[in-house]
Amino acid sequence: DGGITQSPKYLFRKEGQNVTLSCEQNLNHDAMYWYRQDPGQGLRLIYYSQIVNDFQKGDIAEGYSVSREKKESFPLTVTSAQKNPTAFYLCASTGQHSGNTIYFGEGSWLTVV
Amino acid sequence: KQEVTQIPAALSVPEGENLVLNCSFTDSAIYNLQWFRQDPGKGLTSLLLIQSSQREQTSGRLNASLDKSSGRSTLYIAASQPGDSATYLCAVMGGSARQLTFGSGTQLTVLP
Repeated sequence: DGGITQSPKYLFRKEGQNVTLSCEQNLNHDAMYWYRQDPGQGLRLIYYSQIVNDFQKGDIAEGYSVSREKKESFPLTVTSAQKNPTAFYLCASTGQHSGNTIYFGEGSWLTVV
Repeated sequence: KQEVTQIPAALSVPEGENLVLNCSFTDSAIYNLQWFRQDPGKGLTSLLLIQSSQREQTSGRLNASLDKSSGRSTLYIAASQPGDSATYLCAVMGGSARQLTFGSGTQLTVLP
């Protein structure tokens, strides 16, 4: 079944640690995105990638890093430099062959302990 | 910079009512507009996508309209049901990178 898979669903991070959230898609989409959602708020764009080996900062990229070594994969690392990382993280992808419909994963909850 | 606003932020209606959710955006140079549903603690489910050249889309009890020139979209839900209770988000796609900009959502509660 085609879709986007995010893992882990829940993650706890100690202060000062880096953590990596996984995002994999088998939809053959060129573009992938990472969003952050805080309670009661809309989604804010962290990073996006239009093609393999290329990515761009979104509105709130500070404290985050990404890579796009494969078309299917777009992992997000939340670094210790991110001052307030506790949030819900959503990965998405889209492609022109799908009419630019954007598909989302189920999300990952990150909590700093 | 594109800004998307959704009104109201929250809405509570009795079962069976028809209702309208509003979305406005500041930059009319968009590829499309999408409406999503989000249940608590879950990802987003796409409900309707309207291409920039279209005026409306329908799916079951849902109808979404787009007026690009005025920067407005509405989501009409007919004969609401308790299962419709969720947060509804609209997003516009624009720019060379085809970025999505989201509104803050409308939290809908349908009372049985």
